[in-house]
Amino acid sequence: QVQLVESGGGLVKPGGSLRLSCAASGFTFSDYYMSWIRQAPGRGLEWVSYISSSSSYTIYADSVKGRFTISRDNAKKSLYLQMNSLRAEDTAVYYCARDFGCSSTTCYIPKWFDPWGQGTLVTVSS
Amino acid sequence: DIQMTQSPSSLSASVGDRVTITCQASQDISNYLNWYQQKPGKAPKLLIYDASNLETGVPSRFSGSGSGTDFAFTISSLQPEDIATYYCQQYDNLPITFGGGTKVEIK
Repeated sequence: QVQLVESGGGLVKPGGSLRLSCAASGFTFSDYYMSWIRQAPGRGLEWVSYISSSSSYTIYADSVKGRFTISRDNAKKSLYLQMNSLRAEDTAVYYCARDFGCSSTTCYIPKWFDPWGQGTLVTVSS
Repeated sequence: DIQMTQSPSSLSASVGDRVTITCQASQDISNYLNWYQQKPGKAPKLLIYDASNLETGVPSRFSGSGSGTDFAFTISSLQPEDIATYYCQQYDNLPITFGGGTKVEIK
């Protein structure tokens, strides 16, 4: 079945770095745009970043621009999020999600997300 | 950024009740509006896309309506398994944004 599994979360000190991974299975990963979305403890959802199927197009939320980098390896069916200069406000569960609404070869904005992974918790604290 | 305002923030209803959640956008977003269900400790799940289209496999008691700035999400007959937080999400403009969520509980 279609599945996304995140890994790489953990406890990191402010200013530190972490790399999240998302392993995809059950669908042709290289056909789909992907996103990272986060949820601070007890809070709502915040979209973080988006990458095209070929990696040629990436966009970020202003809150992470210049600090986070999204990438993918289609051969490994994997999505990544490199997070640098981490802050306490980056503490959240990070979800990867497939953009199931992008049916053309070019999409400039994420549409709808299906499925989502189970999430990985990132805690930024000294 | 487009602000998405959901109401109520929480509600309590009985099994079999009709439940309606509203989502208001700060500007016209056409029908670029989706609804998700998040059960405790789980990832969100897509229920409705483009305001009124039911995702495959989602029970027909769930429905969505609206366009422009005002949208509604309805559960026609609340079931115990519908206990969750529901979120709306717009994709008319970057950054895409979510509503604050509506927590649905059983009375």
